[in-house]
Amino acid sequence: NAGVTQTPKFRILKIGQSMTLQCAQDMNHNYMYWYRQDPGMGLKLIYYSVGAGITDKGEVPNGYNVSRSTTEDFPLRLELAAPSQTSVYFCASSYRGGLSSPLHFGNGTRLTVT
Amino acid sequence: SQELEQSPQSLIVQEGKNLTINCTSSKTLYGLYWYKQKYGEGLIFLMMLQKGGEEKSHEKITAKLDEKKQQSSLHITASQPSHAGIYLCGADIVPTSGTYKYIFGTGTRLKVLA
Repeated sequence: NAGVTQTPKFRILKIGQSMTLQCAQDMNHNYMYWYRQDPGMGLKLIYYSVGAGITDKGEVPNGYNVSRSTTEDFPLRLELAAPSQTSVYFCASSYRGGLSSPLHFGNGTRLTVT
Repeated sequence: SQELEQSPQSLIVQEGKNLTINCTSSKTLYGLYWYKQKYGEGLIFLMMLQKGGEEKSHEKITAKLDEKKQQSSLHITASQPSHAGIYLCGADIVPTSGTYKYIFGTGTRLKVLA
């Protein structure tokens, strides 16, 4: 099992450009999440999904969009990149939500917007 | 303000020393998770605590949950350089209205001097 795979690992964007961060998991997990990690700020939830076709906003959804057409994939879209979106992005998955269900994380995508 | 506060923010210890990291919640804890993150990588699940008074150990790392204090502590005995990294606590705070909310603390950066 590869677990949670994120691509790309690094990316530099100019202000106003768009990109999609890819995330795939092969553990047949229902729940998937996107977090961003800023220095000294811990992890903030951007969007999450409880199953294919279902997505919901987290704490910091503005400037992002997601889709969940399959159980395996959960891409994150940035439409008009802004410097405030410079961060490390982590995708995670879990078998179900709530207790007894730890998150499995990808290795992250380091994004710089200049 | 953070719903999960970790202390200390950073810690430097000599190899062989014991140390404790705390995670305090401003809301009722229904379960708490500890994760470790190495630089440039995703988070690795360490332990999950579900009941007040519960204590779990893995190798030289012990975690406890005090529900009354809404606090968890992570204790490392006889620290080694391999323990270095960022430790984050995560929790499912209050499952209300079917809204799923999994949040993280700000992290504690641990450095172990050989």
